[in-house]
Amino acid sequence: AQSVAQPEDQVNVAEGNPLTVKCTYSVSGNPYLFWYVQYPNRGLQFLLKYITGDNLVKGSYGFEAEFNKSQTSFHLKKPSALVSDSALYFCAVRDLNTGFQKLVFGTGTRLLVSP
Amino acid sequence: EPEVTQTPSHQVTQMGQEVILRCVPISNHLYFYWYRQILGQKVEFLVSFYNNEISEKSEIFDDQFSVERPDGSNFTLKIRSTKLEDSAMYFCASSEASVGANVLTFGAGSRLTVL
Repeated sequence: AQSVAQPEDQVNVAEGNPLTVKCTYSVSGNPYLFWYVQYPNRGLQFLLKYITGDNLVKGSYGFEAEFNKSQTSFHLKKPSALVSDSALYFCAVRDLNTGFQKLVFGTGTRLLVSP
Repeated sequence: EPEVTQTPSHQVTQMGQEVILRCVPISNHLYFYWYRQILGQKVEFLVSFYNNEISEKSEIFDDQFSVERPDGSNFTLKIRSTKLEDSAMYFCASSEASVGANVLTFGAGSRLTVL
């Protein structure tokens, strides 16, 4: 069964510094990987996805993520953090080879960007 | 931008009572989902729905749960006899297609508190 691990409950970074939010996954076949962000009192908003091809995926709000098959990782990155990036970030995976539709989410990582 | 809307935003109920959570998916989407998040835990898949029937469900989605699309716009989740452990944030989502790298659009969630 597919699974996702987000090893950090919280990441703290100063505004202007680069940020990384970590995610590792486990699937039986080829993964489709996603990052979602949740702001207070809002639903999960799609940031970016990896399907195939280029391992570096660019998404909304200047975020990018790097797919690393050998390390089974899909870390979220941003070169320069903003205070407004403070939110809860979820990594998710779909194992298309299983034929299932569901997304499996990680437990989430709270990003706190200080001024 | 089209969005998924959910009502109520918060519902408090007594154990054993029936609860209906409502969702209005994006109008041209064909696939509908319910997820839940127990406080401090991961976002969990409950059920997916297409063409007026359940297409996939998790082990959480037992006989106490049901879903319905009663009128072509609403998508509801019913819990027949709530338990304390049903207390969670329930997220509705919809998508244009079910497979591959298709993106789910989530609502803001309905917080259910069972006393």
